[in-house]
Amino acid sequence: DARVTQTPRDKVTEMGQEVTMRCQPILGHNTVFWYRQTMMQGLELLAYFRNRAPLDDSGMPKDRFSAEMPDATLATLKIQPSEPRDSAVYFCASGLYERPNYGYTFGSGTRLTVV
Amino acid sequence: AQKITQTQPGMFVQEKEAVTLDCTYDTSDPSYGLFWYKQPSSGEMIFLIYQGSYDQQNATEGRYSLNFQKARKSANLVISASQLGDSAMYFCAMREGLGGGNKLTFGTGTQLKVEL
Repeated sequence: DARVTQTPRDKVTEMGQEVTMRCQPILGHNTVFWYRQTMMQGLELLAYFRNRAPLDDSGMPKDRFSAEMPDATLATLKIQPSEPRDSAVYFCASGLYERPNYGYTFGSGTRLTVV
Repeated sequence: AQKITQTQPGMFVQEKEAVTLDCTYDTSDPSYGLFWYKQPSSGEMIFLIYQGSYDQQNATEGRYSLNFQKARKSANLVISASQLGDSAMYFCAMREGLGGGNKLTFGTGTQLKVEL
């Protein structure tokens, strides 16, 4: 089965440090999403890309978060500087614009803890 | 206003029984898609079933079926013959617009526990 691969699986970091999360979408998928999951807020969309172009990053705190797709096989989400309130599970998901009835495939997530 | 509402924070069902998880949605877009995802305790998000706004028939995938009532804006998930492995969090989600790459908006989820 094709998978979305996220690294690292778990990350513990100190407040103020830079964090980079990586995602390898399914080969051929042209849409990539970053979601954040917390107990309080549930699943929130942070940003998404189509054909590597950013379409919407309104869910991200702009002063500290950035999302990029340097190529079709890699999406990155950076937090600098990190804060304890950023502690959450971050999911990457990919999909195909031309197949609307297909569900998006999610990665296993990166569990981030900022202390 | 909430776009996706799941009013059942938790549900219990006996093994082998059927269970319905509720979902209502709010959109003014005539073109949309509705999804259900399962999140077991291991944390991954697993796609279960999809219903398009123009689909005439309710979607089915194995033991999962979607009870789509367009006029009521509801998209309830029915799981038949529940199994212990069905214990998980279930999320309803909506995508507005026709494109397969538009964003999903999720509900708050329903925690399902299947008992012996």
